[in-house]
Amino acid sequence: DVKVTQSSRYLVKRTGEKVFLECVQDMDHENMFWYRQDPGLGLRLIYFSYDVKMKEKGDIPEGYSVSREKKERFSLILESASTNQTSMYLCASSLLDRVEQYFGPGTRLTVT
Amino acid sequence: AQSVTQLDSQVPVFEEAPVELRCNYSSSVSVYLFWYVQYPNQGLQLLLKYLSGSTLVKGINGFEAEFNKSQTSFHLRKPSVHISDTAEYFCAVSDHDYKLSFGAGTTVTVRA
Repeated sequence: DVKVTQSSRYLVKRTGEKVFLECVQDMDHENMFWYRQDPGLGLRLIYFSYDVKMKEKGDIPEGYSVSREKKERFSLILESASTNQTSMYLCASSLLDRVEQYFGPGTRLTVT
Repeated sequence: AQSVTQLDSQVPVFEEAPVELRCNYSSSVSVYLFWYVQYPNQGLQLLLKYLSGSTLVKGINGFEAEFNKSQTSFHLRKPSVHISDTAEYFCAVSDHDYKLSFGAGTTVTVRA
């Protein structure tokens, strides 16, 4: 069974703080993704990675960066958190040549 | 680039009644199609997928969907819902680049 875990379910940070969201998958998947989920907007892709140290921008990368130093771990970084980054963040993974993605439980981030 | 429209944002339904969630997509190429479900405070779980072959796809928990290429639709149906089907449902499309584009979601509320 594929398992995708995220480091926190709930997180509260202050404006201007640097925030790290961690995601780990245990199925040796090459592809990993970070989305944010907002009511009425569905899921929007922030960044994705198809290999260690490789990353590509998604639809809404502004204000975010990512890091992938190991195959199983993909980190989302908010360099200077702002209130408009309050959202649910979902991590997902998939095999290199498969479209089906497996999701983690999400991190609900509140920036005050 | 593809886009996904879920035509209903909220669908209230009585227990044991049928339900249909509508999804239309736009894409200039052939696509893969998915329905995901998100139960309260959880991540997304795959309900079913269309990759090729039969246009009627059966998924978990009694759900099915029909791919209609001429109408660019992938509507989700269940003949008899349970209270436990209360959740948010997302339609997603991929044009084979291993990224998913999601609709805004449909919230299904099942009442006794």
